[in-house]
Amino acid sequence: EIVMTQSPVTLSVSPGERATLSCKASQSVSSDLAWYQQKPGQVPRLLIYGASTRTTGIPARFSGSGSGTEFTLTISSLQSEDFAVYFCQQYNKWPRTFGQGTKVEIK
Amino acid sequence: QITLKESGPSLVKPTETLTLTCTFSGLSLSTSGEGVGWIRQPPGKALECLAVIYWDDDKRYSPSLKNRLTITKDTSKNQVVLRMTNMDPRDTATYFCVHSLWFGEKGFDPWGQGTQVIVSS
Repeated sequence: EIVMTQSPVTLSVSPGERATLSCKASQSVSSDLAWYQQKPGQVPRLLIYGASTRTTGIPARFSGSGSGTEFTLTISSLQSEDFAVYFCQQYNKWPRTFGQGTKVEIK
Repeated sequence: QITLKESGPSLVKPTETLTLTCTFSGLSLSTSGEGVGWIRQPPGKALECLAVIYWDDDKRYSPSLKNRLTITKDTSKNQVVLRMTNMDPRDTATYFCVHSLWFGEKGFDPWGQGTQVIVSS
């Protein structure tokens, strides 16, 4: 099973600042990597797939990069609605696995 | 537009079998490449993919839960059913129904609203 490790566990950022979230896979997943956003009490929402492709309706301030085992989600200028938990997930091998999440909180 | 909705009991006793139903619209599991699955999230914890079933009846299970899970589809009713046997308090979680693609997979999108399941005597 591929283990996905996210860091940091919690990221404290001021509105308007940049947030950089990391996700590492225990073995290569190529570019088969997705990012999700989950706000409290809400359903996870797919932000990015293919490591760097935004889904429809996701603002351009969200960007993804990386391939192989190391990936990054960057939020260029945090808005109030971006404070949430972010999960990465690989879909290169079964079972599909998720990282434990990074909580982005207001500094 | 694809929508999915979970239904099932909110409370089950230890050792019982949980049966969850996902009713969906905007997709057909008779269409090549389509899939529907289940993901769970224990309170305050990470997401875990339990099972996915595809249009051709290919089924993928979590290895750690494989012996307890059964996923089936009813194409005529646009439903997918997940059965989990021998429920334990550690299975307390929100269970989500999700859409997946076999060809050009893009992760899980969209998700149902989720259904909370508590395992307690």
